[in-house]
Amino acid sequence: AQSVTQLDSQVPVFEEAPVELRCNYSSSVSVYLFWYVQYPNQGLQLLLKYLSGSTLVKGINGFEAEFNKSQTSFHLRKPSVHISDTAEYFCAVTQNQAGTALIFGKGTTLSVSS
Amino acid sequence: NAGVTQTPKFRILKIGQSMTLQCTQDMNHNYMYWYRQDPGMGLKLIYYSVGAGITDKGEVPNGYNVSRSTTEDFPLRLELAAPSQTSVYFCASRGGLGFYNEQFFGPGTRLTVL
Repeated sequence: AQSVTQLDSQVPVFEEAPVELRCNYSSSVSVYLFWYVQYPNQGLQLLLKYLSGSTLVKGINGFEAEFNKSQTSFHLRKPSVHISDTAEYFCAVTQNQAGTALIFGKGTTLSVSS
Repeated sequence: NAGVTQTPKFRILKIGQSMTLQCTQDMNHNYMYWYRQDPGMGLKLIYYSVGAGITDKGEVPNGYNVSRSTTEDFPLRLELAAPSQTSVYFCASRGGLGFYNEQFFGPGTRLTVL
């Protein structure tokens, strides 16, 4: 069975500082990996996804993530955050198999202050 | 395109009451999903559908029912509301055949059962 662990429930940072949100997954087969963002009182929207190929994936709003198969990790990074990046971030995984769905981590709340 | 729309935005139910959460998408997506989001727990899949007339249970289906009579609509029914069903409910849809395709989320319905 698949599972996703987001190692930090809350990450407070100052504006313009770099940030890394950590995600580890477990699966016995190849997976697709996603990061979604949820702004306050809104639905989720896709930040980026890893399917195959280059292990460094770039997404919207200056975010990027690196897939590490040996470490089974998919950490999200941004070199300089803005106040507007304050949101909840979810890592998710799925397999290329009928009947499977997205499995979400519990989320990481990123709080950016000035 | 409106994307995925959900109604109502908020609802308070008494124990034992029933209600239907509405979900509509205008992207002609075959796949549709219902999730619930509890604080600190991420999103859990309730039910999903791979096309009109076809539905299946997710991780937490007890206490809920769904139907999919058209491609556009995927309502979620709560028959006998219980306090444990207090949550935020998200509907999502996905197009294409690939499991790596993005899921599009509605804005959510915040339900309180008292």
